[in-house]
Amino acid sequence: DAGITQSPRHKVTETGTPVTLRCHQTENHRYMYWYRQDPGHGLRLIHYSYGVKDTDKGEVSDGYSVSRSKTEDFLLTLESATSSQTSVYFCAISPGQGTTDTQYFGPGTRLTVL
Amino acid sequence: KQEVTQIPAALSVPEGENLVLNCSFTDSAIYNLQWFRQDPGKGLTSLLLIQSSQREQTSGRLNASLDKSSGRSTLYIAASQPGDSATYLCAVGAQKLVFGQGTRLTINP
Repeated sequence: DAGITQSPRHKVTETGTPVTLRCHQTENHRYMYWYRQDPGHGLRLIHYSYGVKDTDKGEVSDGYSVSRSKTEDFLLTLESATSSQTSVYFCAISPGQGTTDTQYFGPGTRLTVL
Repeated sequence: KQEVTQIPAALSVPEGENLVLNCSFTDSAIYNLQWFRQDPGKGLTSLLLIQSSQREQTSGRLNASLDKSSGRSTLYIAASQPGDSATYLCAVGAQKLVFGQGTRLTINP
């Protein structure tokens, strides 16, 4: 298995509070991604990074920000959590060797916003 | 906007059967198509990646085909086993993947 860890694995928080999820990789892969998975919507890309300090938006980026100050860490921040952000969040990585990269996924973080 | 559809949403078959899972996409200008497996409460595991220039890929009992002109891919599972029970997802794209909602497969002993 690719060396990807996510922390925390479970979190319950209240509406309006800030939340940061962490993704850590030991593979030295160039690309890192954040997805959310919801019933009826499948997996949707939030943000991704193609290098240190290089990020771009995905399909559902509103309400989320990301940062990548080191190759191994990719942080997802909900500045002011809302109930609609209750979801399972997955981090993924890929080598960045071209358009034929396979993405490797972490175990997920279950976030509940009350 | 690319849309990916997987039908049926759920499938239950007896052990030993050969089966086909379907994936369709609306925009044929794709880089790759990937098939993933997801076990309950777990992350996704990549099964097969088909490049846009390829027609199929095989890994063990799995064979995935790609027909860009019709916007379809199929995942063929031979001699199904209870351990194949999982949700199977297809996704198109290069870095910015667009996923289908998956087919939940149950193999009955």
